[in-house]
Amino acid sequence: EVQLVESGGGLVKPGGSLRLSCAVSGFNFLDYSFNWVRQAPGKGLEWVSSISSSSRYIYYSDAVEGRFTISRDNVRNSLHLQMNSLRAEDTAVYYCARLPVGVYFFDYWGQGTLVAVSS
Amino acid sequence: QSALTQPASVSGSPGQSITISCTGTTSDVGGYHYVSWYQHRPGEAPTLIIYDVSHRPSGISNRFSGSKSASTASLTISGLQADDEADYFCSSYSSSAFHWVFGGGTKVTVL
Repeated sequence: EVQLVESGGGLVKPGGSLRLSCAVSGFNFLDYSFNWVRQAPGKGLEWVSSISSSSRYIYYSDAVEGRFTISRDNVRNSLHLQMNSLRAEDTAVYYCARLPVGVYFFDYWGQGTLVAVSS
Repeated sequence: QSALTQPASVSGSPGQSITISCTGTTSDVGGYHYVSWYQHRPGEAPTLIIYDVSHRPSGISNRFSGSKSASTASLTISGLQADDEADYFCSSYSSSAFHWVFGGGTKVTVL
């Protein structure tokens, strides 16, 4: 069974940092790219970042470029998002999503982890 | 404000058909055949129900169908069931840098 399980969310003050993780199981981690997508309270989904299977290709949205860093551990089958200089507008549920190679849709998602940025 | 425009809510009676629109631009919905739709229940992981405009993943009911005309994509749910109550998001690959755009989501209510 394909599973993606996010963790690491919590309450942090503006300017603070958090590291999100996404543990995956049930498939060959190396065969897929992964993405982080977030949903702010009462808002729609927003793509955050993408990382290819080899970590060679990494992309960020303009909203997080320079503050967030995506990475993956192909030994531990995990995805990470290091979030620095957090702002109130980063408050959201963060989802990891699997992206099969050569396609443009996310076929499996995790249940999300809540990040709240507030003083 | 989301990049793709969806109605905030759509409702219908059991057995009826409803259609949810998703309007973008020529840089996303209108420029690519890469529109996908997701069903999202509160507290659960989003589920892919349509990809590449009109294709259904294995295991997804054929009551869900997708189409596109110019820069507007549509999701139709036929034979509406109580279990269809959820939020539905559209998404498209965008040429504006390497990324995806999403709609604001549509809450489907079964009356």
